[in-house]
Amino acid sequence: AQKITQTQPGMFVQEKEAVTLDCTYDTSDPSYGLFWYKQPSSGEMIFLIYQGSYDQQNATEGRYSLNFQKARKSANLVISASQLGDSAMYFCAMRGRTNFGNEKLTFGTGTRLTIIP
Amino acid sequence: ETGVTQTPRHLVMGMTNKKSLKCEQHLGHNAMYWYKQSAKKPLELMFVYSLEERVENNSVPSRFSPECPNSSHLFLHLHTLQPEDSALYLCASSQDWAGNQPQHFGDGTRLSIL
Repeated sequence: AQKITQTQPGMFVQEKEAVTLDCTYDTSDPSYGLFWYKQPSSGEMIFLIYQGSYDQQNATEGRYSLNFQKARKSANLVISASQLGDSAMYFCAMRGRTNFGNEKLTFGTGTRLTIIP
Repeated sequence: ETGVTQTPRHLVMGMTNKKSLKCEQHLGHNAMYWYKQSAKKPLELMFVYSLEERVENNSVPSRFSPECPNSSHLFLHLHTLQPEDSALYLCASSQDWAGNQPQHFGDGTRLSIL
């Protein structure tokens, strides 16, 4: 079974500072993928970044980068130069398999990030 | 404008009511999903449809009944719900139901059961 752990329920960060959101995972599948989503207070889930288990380089998308450490089974999200609009819930998710062998996303419990002016 | 549209945004209903949640995606995707998001719990996958066929029913009670009439529309029919069913219900779509493509989510329907 797959498991995603986000150990930081909440974080407060000063505007313009960099922030790292932690995510560790557990899976027995050799092939998997890791996603980060942002959920503002309005409710929608916004895809941020993806890292495949066989990708050699860490994924980057603008101010977002994924610090992928396969041996430690961690996939931390790094946001550089944080902005007030970054305040939201952030979810780490892993592509895995259900009991029926179908693919599904398993989500962590999320981290609430608050950017302080 | 989001590519996945959910209506209504908010719904309050009694336990004996029947209502439906609607999801429409404008992205040409082949897979659609229903998720339940309860307070302080991870998102729970409820149903997956691929090419209008249900490929996953994640042990969801029968008081939730999904319907996918075509690849662009997904419904969740609600009947005789319980107070613990109060949650944010999110619809998502992806190009296919397997692989590395991200899922695109709607804004959700916040459901409250009285």
